[in-house]
This record gives sequence, structure tokens and C-alpha cells, in this order.
Amino acid sequence: GPKVLQIPSHQIIDMGQMVTLNCDPVSNHLYFYWYKQILGQQMEFLVNFYNGKVMEKSKLFKDQFSVERPDGSYFTLKIQPTALEDSAVYFCASSYGQSSYEQYFGPGTRLTVL
Amino acid sequence: GDSVTQTEGPVTLSEGTSLTVNCSYETKQYPTLFWYVQYPGEGPQLLFKVPKANEKGSNRGFEATYNKEATSFHLQKASVQESDSAVYYCALSDPGTQVVGQLTFGRGTRLQVYA
Repeated sequence: GPKVLQIPSHQIIDMGQMVTLNCDPVSNHLYFYWYKQILGQQMEFLVNFYNGKVMEKSKLFKDQFSVERPDGSYFTLKIQPTALEDSAVYFCASSYGQSSYEQYFGPGTRLTVL
Repeated sequence: GDSVTQTEGPVTLSEGTSLTVNCSYETKQYPTLFWYVQYPGEGPQLLFKVPKANEKGSNRGFEATYNKEATSFHLQKASVQESDSAVYYCALSDPGTQVVGQLTFGRGTRLQVYA
């Protein structure tokens, strides 16, 4: 089936540094999402993105977070600066439409902030 | 806000036995309900979804019925196989929320099936 790729699979950085997580969504999909999963807890919605703009974001999407997809390339999540509480697995997802359309998930990027 | 509560894992079963993973939810309106499955090294993938109350979803021998009265969506399989070993997530999409397309997930239930 359709695949969502995420690069890198693991990232270790020092607190205060910038990190960019990359997502290669399914080619004809129009909606893009980031979710965050802290170890042992549920996956939580961060943000969704459509037509070059953030549609909605949750309370977890701090000011230090930003997303973009320049010229149809990777859909990225940037955190600048990082904090210890940003350590988690970040999942990217994409869908053709909203609501009842299936979201396809990538394998996740495990981010460790030291 | 919306929430999903499911059976706490791990659940360990021998091949051929039956499986039930409980899922209950809280929302303001009538959600679409989902079961996702995640295999090691992969992202969650949709097992099936049910948009309407009192309907059943099924795939690969798994099934769940959307019970609006009990606000439940329990996952069942009559006879599990070793290849079913994975993490199972119950999730919902609530049209009453501000964010369209947002999924609310449970914590996941790890299933380990041994031969």
C-alpha cells in the first residue's frame, strides 16, 4: 500500500539546538499531520497542514514548533530551540481528504533531547 | 475533551485462542471510530473504521461494533495467529471538535501471540 517515509529514524541532540524532522508523504495526498507520542503514552495530535498553511494546531504545538512543505518536497517539523520535554516519537501522517479519509502514517522519528 | 481508553497491555495469548481488546470513548458528538495496528518498525496502519453507530467493521478476521449507548468499540478476533502480534490502537475522529481530521488515540494495547 501507500507509504509515508520519515527521515531520520532516530535523532539525538542537545537541549537548545534546532532539529528538523522530515516526512515524505504519499504522493497524491493533500493533508499532512504531525503527532507526538511520549514513551508509554498515547499518540497526540500536534498540527495539520493543507494548501501550504497550518489549518489547526493543538496546545502541544508550542511557539518553538513550525511546519512547512516548500514546493511539494518534504513536509517538515522544525523545533527551535529544543527542550527536554520534546523527547518523544514523532509520527507524520498524510491523507487525501479530511475526517473520514484514512490517514497513512510513517514509522516515526525517535527524538532524544539531552 | 475527547478521550479513548483501551485495555492495558501487554496481552499474551497462545495461537488459536480468542482476543478481546476493550475500547471506550468520550466525545461530545458522534465520532467515526477506528482501529489501527502497528507492527514493529512501522507506523500505525488502518485496520478498519466505522462511521455509524450500531454498524460493524471488520478486516483480517478482526471485528468491532460501534456501540453508541455503551460508548464502546471493542476489538475481537476468534482465533489469533502469531502474525497478529502487534500494537493495536483504538482511535476516534470527532466532527464536533475544532480540528477537522484530528485523530484521538488510546494508549495502545500490545498483543503477543506465541505458537
